[in-house]
Amino acid sequence: DVKVTQSSRYLVKRTGEKVFLECVQDMDHENMFWYRQDPGLGLRLIYFSYDVKMKEKGDIPEGYSVSREKKERFSLILESASTNQTSMYLCASSLMGVGEQYFGPGTRLTVT
Amino acid sequence: DQQVKQNSPSLSVQEGRISILNCDYTNSMFDYFLWYKKYPAEGPTFLISISSIKDKNEDGRFTVFLNKSAKHLSLHIVPSQPGDSAVYFCAASEESNFGNEKLTFGTGTRLTIIP
Repeated sequence: DVKVTQSSRYLVKRTGEKVFLECVQDMDHENMFWYRQDPGLGLRLIYFSYDVKMKEKGDIPEGYSVSREKKERFSLILESASTNQTSMYLCASSLMGVGEQYFGPGTRLTVT
Repeated sequence: DQQVKQNSPSLSVQEGRISILNCDYTNSMFDYFLWYKKYPAEGPTFLISISSIKDKNEDGRFTVFLNKSAKHLSLHIVPSQPGDSAVYFCAASEESNFGNEKLTFGTGTRLTIIP
């Protein structure tokens, strides 16, 4: 059974804190993605990675960075969390060249 | 600029009837389309897809229709069941250096099936 796991289901952080969200997939997928989901805005792509150490900006990369040191792991970093980064964060993975993405359960981040 | 639009935020359908969810897109380069289903507190799960070379794809109770000239796709669920109550997202991609890997999602439609 394919699996994408995210390190936390719920997270509460303070403004200005550095936040790490971790994602691990066990399907040997080349591609990994980070999205945020907000009411009325759907899923918006923050960053994606098509190979180890490779990354591409998505539609809303401002305020975020990513790291992919191993094929199975993709981290999203909020350098200095702000209240407008309160959201549901979803990680996904897919095979190279294939549109179908497999999603993790999400991390609901609240920044106070 | 919302390239993929789902204009109905919510839809209620009687159990056993047909559910029709709609999606419009503006980017004529999109050539692959997908529907995802999302339950609360879970990640989206893939439901069905269609390539632009087709106008219909069926999988059990789910059928996706694509009208390229109108830049419109729809998802039909028949018969609708209570377990179909969820948020449905349509997504689209265009051929790029990364294949059809990068998806653009719509805003979602919350489907409620009334027993």
